[in-house]
Amino acid sequence: QQQVKQSPQSLIVQKGGIPIINCAYENTAFDYFPWYQQFPGKGPALLIAIRPDVSEKKEGRFTISFNKSAKQFSLHIMDSQPGDSATYFCAASGTGANNLFFGTGTRLTVIP
Amino acid sequence: SQTIHQWPATLVQPVGSPLSLECTVEGTSNPNLYWYRQAAGRGLQLLFYSVGIGQISSEVPQNLSASRPQDRQFILSSKKLLLSDSGFYLCAWTRGIGQPQHFGDGTRLSIL
Repeated sequence: QQQVKQSPQSLIVQKGGIPIINCAYENTAFDYFPWYQQFPGKGPALLIAIRPDVSEKKEGRFTISFNKSAKQFSLHIMDSQPGDSATYFCAASGTGANNLFFGTGTRLTVIP
Repeated sequence: SQTIHQWPATLVQPVGSPLSLECTVEGTSNPNLYWYRQAAGRGLQLLFYSVGIGQISSEVPQNLSASRPQDRQFILSSKKLLLSDSGFYLCAWTRGIGQPQHFGDGTRLSIL
């Protein structure tokens, strides 16, 4: 059973656009929600993370929106650039868990 | 600062041959360590994790095994590789439960 559901599977936007990637979870014990960025041939790199005590977190052009009641969270990339083209993974874990549960990934392509 | 190393970066092995992939972490002590497999265009599948020397938890039964002979060393092994073992193997570490996971750059394993 997929603990974290991620959509869309792929996304193509023009440079300057705002891609949005969505994730949903069921386990209310989850309290840590990171996003990872992965370039081809490389390991995922932590991009930004949020805990459920806040509804939004910004770091540079990347923003996480978190809706605790809906058990959903999303990643927005402002003023997207071709260099943002990568695969993005959302994940979730709880304080009692020894591992992260990952979404299936979104391949983002930003067209110049 | 902390760094994580995986080697080799790429490996081509015949079916039925043994496997040993190594991961080491520098700059921290007593990390939690993880092995993941990522099939092409897919998400991350947790294989093993370890919270201490000699302590291994398996998430997916298969012909792979893991060992942690030293605090910052994690090894993924197989006695006889199968075609289905092909994939991108990633090692990760974290300070503890609910903390960010940091990934190495992976090993691309191809089975012929």
